[in-house]
Amino acid sequence: DAKTTQPPSMDCAEGRAANLPCNHSTISGNEYVYWYRQIHSQGPQYIIHGLKNNETNEMASLIITEDRKSSTLILPHATLRDTAVYYCIVRLNYGGSQGNLIFGKGTKLSVKP
Amino acid sequence: DTEVTQTPKHLVMGMTNKKSLKCEQHMGHRAMYWYKQKAKKPPELMFVYSYEKLSINESVPSRFSPECPNSSLLNLHLHALQPEDSALYLCASSEIIAAIGELFFGEGSRLTVL
Repeated sequence: DAKTTQPPSMDCAEGRAANLPCNHSTISGNEYVYWYRQIHSQGPQYIIHGLKNNETNEMASLIITEDRKSSTLILPHATLRDTAVYYCIVRLNYGGSQGNLIFGKGTKLSVKP
Repeated sequence: DTEVTQTPKHLVMGMTNKKSLKCEQHMGHRAMYWYKQKAKKPPELMFVYSYEKLSINESVPSRFSPECPNSSLLNLHLHALQPEDSALYLCASSEIIAAIGELFFGEGSRLTVL
């Protein structure tokens, strides 16, 4: 079972920041938080991952709370091409089923003009 | 080359047919994965290969038969499928099993079983 809870859908105006929340209240100390997105009819695309510290790359920023029970993915200037289902996933970094990527239901982000 | 290539992109087959899906990567990754995705649902893990050996089978019916002939190639052999097996089949790879960092996904093979 997925260990994360996300809102089923969100809207965002084009050019504005999109803030996608994720709850992972049962996360353990050695589990990472990963974000992927899936644009309609395409394969999932990696966005970012983190353990404790906030992370930023060319696509997005990941803010993880100090207690690690929740996180927020931030797309700083959303475009229409960012319309997709966004998956927040927690996973271990070693073998066995817990180390694999298990998708939850995700958040359908719609960026509107 | 950071691509995972899946063929065919679309496949229609009858319940008595035998067909195969193919996945290829040339990133030197030693872990490869098959996922199944039904419409409007998240991807579900089916199989994991590590160094060309089957590491995980998530209780997948035997009508799905995976094969990893070498480190760059992953096949999924299909036989006697049911209409409910119609789905998008996604292949992915990573440096090693459960590696920290990115899983690279292909665009998927969309299967329709008549």
